[in-house]
Amino acid sequence: DQQVKQNSPSLSVQEGRISILNCDYTNSMFDYFLWYKKYPAEGPTFLISISSIKDKNEDGRFTVFLNKSAKHLSLHIVPSQPGDSAVYFCAATPETSGSRLTFGEGTQLTVNP
Amino acid sequence: DSGVTQTPKHLITATGQRVTLRCSPRSGDLSVYWYQQSLDQGLQFLIQYYNGEERAKGNILERFSAQQFPDLHSELNLSSLELGDSALYFCASSISTDTQYFGPGTRLTVL
Repeated sequence: DQQVKQNSPSLSVQEGRISILNCDYTNSMFDYFLWYKKYPAEGPTFLISISSIKDKNEDGRFTVFLNKSAKHLSLHIVPSQPGDSAVYFCAATPETSGSRLTFGEGTQLTVNP
Repeated sequence: DSGVTQTPKHLITATGQRVTLRCSPRSGDLSVYWYQQSLDQGLQFLIQYYNGEERAKGNILERFSAQQFPDLHSELNLSSLELGDSALYFCASSISTDTQYFGPGTRLTVL
């Protein structure tokens, strides 16, 4: 049972444009959501997070939106840069447990110069 | 650099063997987590330790075990290795229940 799903395995955008990565979840116990970026041969790098008490969190070029009723979150990158090319993982956890992260399958973002 | 270190970087071994993967968390972090990333699967949670005690268990096989030592470093022991155990093994750490920071991983190849 895939509790966190990233339905797009890949996304290609032009440099300077907006990248939108999507993530859906099914477990209503999930309360805290994170995005990680992963380059080949490296560990996932934390990017941005959002708690369920918010619907938006912004950090520089990165904004995460949470729609709890739809059990959907998205990561917006504006403007996209070639260095953003990586695999992006959405992850979720019940905040009260603060333990295991449940990850989506990842989306390969390619930003073309 | 996340501050989490993992050794070794690569490990090649044969079926039936036993290996130990090591993780040093970020300074001050009490929680250590282990994840497995296989070719055909995403990152799967294996086990969490908090200040030396097992806190949560995920999809960890009985052939696998872990521990966290008084200096907070952790080891993941994999025994009776099978071909299907070939994967990337990541360690992550956090202060308590917040954001987890990942190490660079250990790539295990079982031949």
